[in-house]
Amino acid sequence: DTAVSQTPKYLVTQMGNDKSIKCEQNLGHDTMYWYKQDSKKFLKIMFSYNNKELIINETVPNRFSPKSPDKAHLNLHINSLELGDSAVYFCASSQEGGGVYGYTFGSGTRLTVV
Amino acid sequence: GNSVTQMEGPVTLSEEAFLTINCTYTATGYPSLFWYVQYPGEGLQLLLKATKADDKGSNKGFEATYRKETTSFHLEKGSVQVSDSAVYFCALSDRNNQGGKLIFGQGTELSVKP
Repeated sequence: DTAVSQTPKYLVTQMGNDKSIKCEQNLGHDTMYWYKQDSKKFLKIMFSYNNKELIINETVPNRFSPKSPDKAHLNLHINSLELGDSAVYFCASSQEGGGVYGYTFGSGTRLTVV
Repeated sequence: GNSVTQMEGPVTLSEEAFLTINCTYTATGYPSLFWYVQYPGEGLQLLLKATKADDKGSNKGFEATYRKETTSFHLEKGSVQVSDSAVYFCALSDRNNQGGKLIFGQGTELSVKP
């Protein structure tokens, strides 16, 4: 059983399109996250939800909108895609906000905007 | 603000060599410290962690000790294998605020040659 699963694994799309990435966790964790990994492998947090409530919203263009229908799911919708959005997007989850136990990551979604 | 600095990569070693990857941090409060590993094409996996000063985290032959006096959490392994080739990330979490947000270092790529 996959603990944190993301779909799709690869996404190639044209500039200006709108796309969504889905994430589901079956660990019973209360907190879920989206991270962006750039071409130099640098990881930066984008959003965090705790039990469907947004608790972290870093400086991210408002073209990115997370949605959490329940605590096991956190989706990421991106409007008007730009070349600079090309990256690997990781979903993660944790119990107790991750401060003690760390995160469990999904395998990533590689987004390529052409 | 909180930050993590890792030694620059890539690091190239021969099999059975000794590994050290340096990590230092800046944080207010009392962070938890983590090492994550990312194998090619995969998500990040928690390798080891330490939650208070002088704690030693260990897993799969890797070790790191939480040194508050030097604000460091260096990763070591006595004898690396080809299968250890991956990118290693040091991270910290300030349990007292920011929703348990993990802040990552820039990653250090390790390549082990037979």
